[in-house]
Amino acid sequence: EVQLLESGGGLVQPGGSLRLSCAASGFRFSNYAMNWVRQAPGKGLEWVSGLSGSGGATYYADSVRGRFTISRDNSKNTLYLQMNSLSAEDTAVYYCAKGQCSGTPCYNLDSWGQGTLVTVSS
Amino acid sequence: DIQMTQSPSSLSASVGDRVTITCRASQSISNYFNWYQQKPGKAPNLLIYAASTLQSGVPSRFSGSGSGTDFTLTISSLQPDDFATYYCQQSYTTPPTFGGGTKVEIK
Repeated sequence: EVQLLESGGGLVQPGGSLRLSCAASGFRFSNYAMNWVRQAPGKGLEWVSGLSGSGGATYYADSVRGRFTISRDNSKNTLYLQMNSLSAEDTAVYYCAKGQCSGTPCYNLDSWGQGTLVTVSS
Repeated sequence: DIQMTQSPSSLSASVGDRVTITCRASQSISNYFNWYQQKPGKAPNLLIYAASTLQSGVPSRFSGSGSGTDFTLTISSLQPDDFATYYCQQSYTTPPTFGGGTKVEIK
């Protein structure tokens, strides 16, 4: 059974940084593209970033490019999202989501974590 | 970016009703199109991918159709477990974009 467990969310001041982690199990992690998707309180879904199974190809939404960095450690079956220069507009639940395919980009998101809440406020 | 427009934004229906939700893409996306279901406080769940392929484990009362710019999600007989918000998404190009959601409520 595929399991994705996010951690690292919390309260951070504007301009601050946070690193999210997503621990994966139940599948061959290195074979699949992974993504981060966020959802602001009471709002819809917004794709944030994605990367290939090897980590060699990365993709970002314009709203986070230059501030966020996606990465993965396939030896630890873990996906990361380093978030810098945070603003109130980044407040959301952040989900990690597994791509259905091995190629990239892959945006058929067939498994999701439970999400971790990031609140940016002074 | 490709814009995805869902309608309606909400609907009220009864158990047993046939429900249809539509989604329109701002440009042709072939069949690079998915539907997700999200219940309150939970993560989204992939229902249908490639416009019409049912994800494993999803009940057969869900079906999807369409290609190009216009897509439809149909629930043939609404069940109590189906009251949720449904999102469409294009997977044709980066960034993948979602529709605004359709909340299905109990009448």
